[in-house]
Amino acid sequence: GIQVEQSPPDLILQEGANSTLRCNFSDSVNNLQWFHQNPWGQLINLFYIPSGTKQNGRLSATTVATERYSLLYISSSQTTDSGVYFCAVERNNDMRFGAGTRLTVKP
Amino acid sequence: DADVTQTPRNRITKTGKRIMLECSQTKGHDRMYWYRQDPGLGLRLIYYSFDVKDINKGEISDGYSVSRQAQAKFSLSLESAIPNQTALYFCATSGAAAGSYNEQFFGPGTRLTVL
Repeated sequence: GIQVEQSPPDLILQEGANSTLRCNFSDSVNNLQWFHQNPWGQLINLFYIPSGTKQNGRLSATTVATERYSLLYISSSQTTDSGVYFCAVERNNDMRFGAGTRLTVKP
Repeated sequence: DADVTQTPRNRITKTGKRIMLECSQTKGHDRMYWYRQDPGLGLRLIYYSFDVKDINKGEISDGYSVSRQAQAKFSLSLESAIPNQTALYFCATSGAAAGSYNEQFFGPGTRLTVL
């Protein structure tokens, strides 16, 4: 199956800082999603982004499918951004998740 | 009300017991999925179903079975639970109503502990 690697595995920020999370994948994919798992375990859809760039408030994402990577940008981070961010890719109905980036935003 | 619901939310059971986890959705989606998440890891796909008559194995189906009772209901069974099935289980749905068949939406999860 497809290999999905996320970096960095852990990230600690001061409130107000910006960050970039990366997702690399080993083969071409049909779809890519970014999720935020909050401290209570809930998975929240951030972006459905098989290619191109999308923005939603302080968050934006870019996927370069031909180069097999996606980036998630968080600007002006807040303590509520803390949690684990997952990238998930799908190819031929096989959905694979990365191991996630654990983000801690300190006040 | 939540679009994707899972019951129970927490369950503790003993080795060898049969366990059923249930998922219901009101999103009108035709595709449903079961995943498990182990501590510190991403989710792994157990089974998926594209409609009531369609069931497919995922990455880690051994030790699990599923039933798609209706378009809105998809249940996961552990016929004889073992301790390494202790995990957080998620149900997900996707459908044309979402704009894309492959954007998935997740339930709140079921935390299962097998002693």
